[in-house]
Amino acid sequence: GENVEQHPSTLSVQEGDSAVIKCTYSDSASNYFPWYKQELGKRPQLIIDIRSNVGEKKDQRIAVTLNKTAKHFSLHITETQPEDSAVYFCAASGSTLGRLYFGRGTQLTVWP
Amino acid sequence: GAGVSQSPSNKVTEKGKDVELRCDPISGHTALYWYRQSLGQGLEFLIYFQGNSAPDKSGLPSDRFSAERTGGSVSTLTIQRTQQEDSAVYLCAGGLAGGPSTDTQYFGPGTRLTVL
Repeated sequence: GENVEQHPSTLSVQEGDSAVIKCTYSDSASNYFPWYKQELGKRPQLIIDIRSNVGEKKDQRIAVTLNKTAKHFSLHITETQPEDSAVYFCAASGSTLGRLYFGRGTQLTVWP
Repeated sequence: GAGVSQSPSNKVTEKGKDVELRCDPISGHTALYWYRQSLGQGLEFLIYFQGNSAPDKSGLPSDRFSAERTGGSVSTLTIQRTQQEDSAVYLCAGGLAGGPSTDTQYFGPGTRLTVL
């Protein structure tokens, strides 16, 4: 099956700086790549996703880039704010219909 | 409904007892998933339903774990003879089959299970 690696496991940035989280995947059949944000004690929530026919997608301060040749995708958060502090999970769809394969998560802390 | 719901929100049980966890997905979501999340850890896949059938149950950790789904809606995850290592948050997620948003998963709030 699909194997998703996520780095770094923890990331601390100053408010206003940018944060980048990177993921790699192994199954070339993967064509859907969502990112989830999980605040402490809350459920994971979708923040942005990208499909394989697109190289980049942006939504306000959040962007995701995809390099299918290298099998990696990244989450970029600009002008970080303390409320961005959370665990972020990347995922890839793999070749099993309906499944998502999740990375192990990145704990992002934004210091005011 | 407004979103995915799960019950109970918290469950404390004694080692060796059986527990049932319930998930109510968003109406019309044909795909349903169960995950386990231990404290500070990632999302461990347990089982995936498409309608009432489970094409992928590869994540169930042992035969003490089982799940069913009826009417293409509500799902129940059952853990028999609970062990302390079963303590975790059990998350349910739902999604659509087909259409441009296939594979997007919408999570419930989870059930926090504590086995004493």
